[in-house]
Amino acid sequence: DAMVIQNPRYQVTQFGKPVTLSCSQTLNHNVMYWYQQKSSQAPKLLFHYYDKDFNNEADTPDNFQSRRPNTSFCFLDIRSPGLGDAAMYLCATSGTGEKLFFGSGTQLSVL
Amino acid sequence: QKEVEQNSGPLSVPEGAIASLNCTYSDRGSQSFFWYRQYSGKSPELIMSIYSNGDKEDGRFTAQLNKASQYVSLLIRDSQPSDSATYLCAVRNKGRRALTFGSGTRLQVQP
Repeated sequence: DAMVIQNPRYQVTQFGKPVTLSCSQTLNHNVMYWYQQKSSQAPKLLFHYYDKDFNNEADTPDNFQSRRPNTSFCFLDIRSPGLGDAAMYLCATSGTGEKLFFGSGTQLSVL
Repeated sequence: QKEVEQNSGPLSVPEGAIASLNCTYSDRGSQSFFWYRQYSGKSPELIMSIYSNGDKEDGRFTAQLNKASQYVSLLIRDSQPSDSATYLCAVRNKGRRALTFGSGTRLQVQP
């Protein structure tokens, strides 16, 4: 089935050690999003790509970067994770319609 | 003022009752409105979308939109224990692709 796939499902990293989360999609959607969701909080948009056009939210810390090498893949890089970056990271896509299709998320723990 | 506000709950209803979930939004130019269900530790899944004033029904779910009052609601009829989850309200503001989410209302359906 066409879907949005995030790997890994759980990621543990050390304080300050760079980490990369990945997302792939078989929907051929042109927009890909990264949201951060902390416990009992709203998903917060970090950035999104419209095709290769990168759109950063004003309040997204510089510690967070993203890459989209092709239509199918998108990566979230956290250069120096802090304890406050522990969260669920949600990748989503959208096509010509308005609906967001979410992956299963990556739960990041920082030790 | 948060862009999308929801009562965090928990909202507790007995099995078979109607659950009523509410959401207000601040941007009067918002155009599209969505309800997502999120089980603990899982990613959000779309339940309903609504774009014009009035009611929209889909099975046991009814979404209601009142743009003049900047208010969206979700009714769940014949609530089941499997409906126990957090319900996220999401809004697409004019000129933006991404959705802005509320922090969700936790629903508990008591058997």
